[in-house]
Amino acid sequence: GDSVTQMEGPVTLSEEAFLTINCTYTATGYPSLFWYVQYPGEGLQLLLKATKADDKGSNKGFEATYRKETTSFHLEKGSVQVSDSAVYFCALSDGDSWGKLQFGAGTQVVVTP
Amino acid sequence: DARVTQTPRHKVTEMGQEVTMRCQPILGHNTVFWYRQTMMQGLELLAYFRNRAPLDDSGMPKDRFSAEMPDATLATLKIQPSEPRDSAVYFCASAGEGGRNQPQHFGDGTRLSIL
Repeated sequence: GDSVTQMEGPVTLSEEAFLTINCTYTATGYPSLFWYVQYPGEGLQLLLKATKADDKGSNKGFEATYRKETTSFHLEKGSVQVSDSAVYFCALSDGDSWGKLQFGAGTQVVVTP
Repeated sequence: DARVTQTPRHKVTEMGQEVTMRCQPILGHNTVFWYRQTMMQGLELLAYFRNRAPLDDSGMPKDRFSAEMPDATLATLKIQPSEPRDSAVYFCASAGEGGRNQPQHFGDGTRLSIL
């Protein structure tokens, strides 16, 4: 079945550092890929998405490129802020699932001043 | 911005009591999901509905959990009787038409503690 694997956390960074969170997936079809972010005490929020190979999703300085050849969708940000401290989830949705998402385990990111 | 609304935000009750959690999806969204989040298991899909009809509730313990959509503006998740292991944050999410390309929009969750 479909699955998503993302790097374990916590990832601890200093402010203005470069952030990468690795995400790889297994799917039988051609899924859409998503990154969600969860701030403390809140629900998940869509951060960005990509719906086909080589698409790049971007939002709030974050970027991720849909790489079919490596089945990856790594999240990057060039200069993190303390306010980026959160849990980040990679997810996929395949064509037969009525929008059902398969989530990774989540990666906690802690940014220190 | 339109939001998914969940009530109550917090619930503390004793083992054996009935718990009802409510969700108001975004107006016009026709797919509703229920999730449970714990430290040990992460995010688990319990059930989801499309046009108010249940599509999959295989993630739910059938003997004590039930999910319904009495109308298009209300989804409910009930636990009867509740047990301490049900303590978790329960999220509702909704999505519009568009299948796999449509993102899910999450509520802020119900934090449930069963004593």
